[in-house]
Amino acid sequence: DAKTTQPPSMDCAEGRAANLPCNHSTISGNEYVYWYRQIHSQGPQYIIHGLKNNETNEMASLIITEDRKSSTLILPHATLRDTAVYYCIVRVALTNAGKSTFGDGTTLTVKP
Amino acid sequence: DTEVTQTPKHLVMGMTNKKSLKCEQHMGHRAMYWYKQKAKKPPELMFVYSYEKLSINESVPSRFSPECPNSSLLNLHLHALQPEDSALYLCASRNRALNTEAFFGQGTRLTVV
Repeated sequence: DAKTTQPPSMDCAEGRAANLPCNHSTISGNEYVYWYRQIHSQGPQYIIHGLKNNETNEMASLIITEDRKSSTLILPHATLRDTAVYYCIVRVALTNAGKSTFGDGTTLTVKP
Repeated sequence: DTEVTQTPKHLVMGMTNKKSLKCEQHMGHRAMYWYKQKAKKPPELMFVYSYEKLSINESVPSRFSPECPNSSLLNLHLHALQPEDSALYLCASRNRALNTEAFFGQGTRLTVV
């Protein structure tokens, strides 16, 4: 699985959009980009994933560059409850168990 | 039911004790995982089970012994642990047949004294 690089920390004002970047320059053609977050002392929670196209769900949007070497997770209206560590993971999209390797993640702090 | 349930939530054990962590899911997922997470660090993969068979062991010391007795249950048996093994132990499951996300439990906070 490809490695990812994320900024260690970011701040965001409550109600504003939070844009979290991730670099995955060695991503392979069959690897998806997944985002998870982990609120303090809880298990990681899935947010969104994508291959090439931009994706949106009720939690967030995922923008993947055309060369697929980087992506951005967008939380459109951040709340205090979005304060968490956000992990970007790339993994092979095969129908096997595989493994997901977590990078160091970005600690997002949403401030009032 | 989209939950992965881990028990106990907290565990304190001595270095000579034997204990077990339990993980249960009823989503029909045939891939199950154990992760270890130290404070302020990302989760580290320990074991992967696929169709109840161990498929990945990330060079974990033998004092950690995983077991998958059926498709819903995953155990982690602990014996002769060291204080540095104190961590949050996370279980996850995933639908092997589809390219879906992993569901994580809330973890067991283990303290070895």
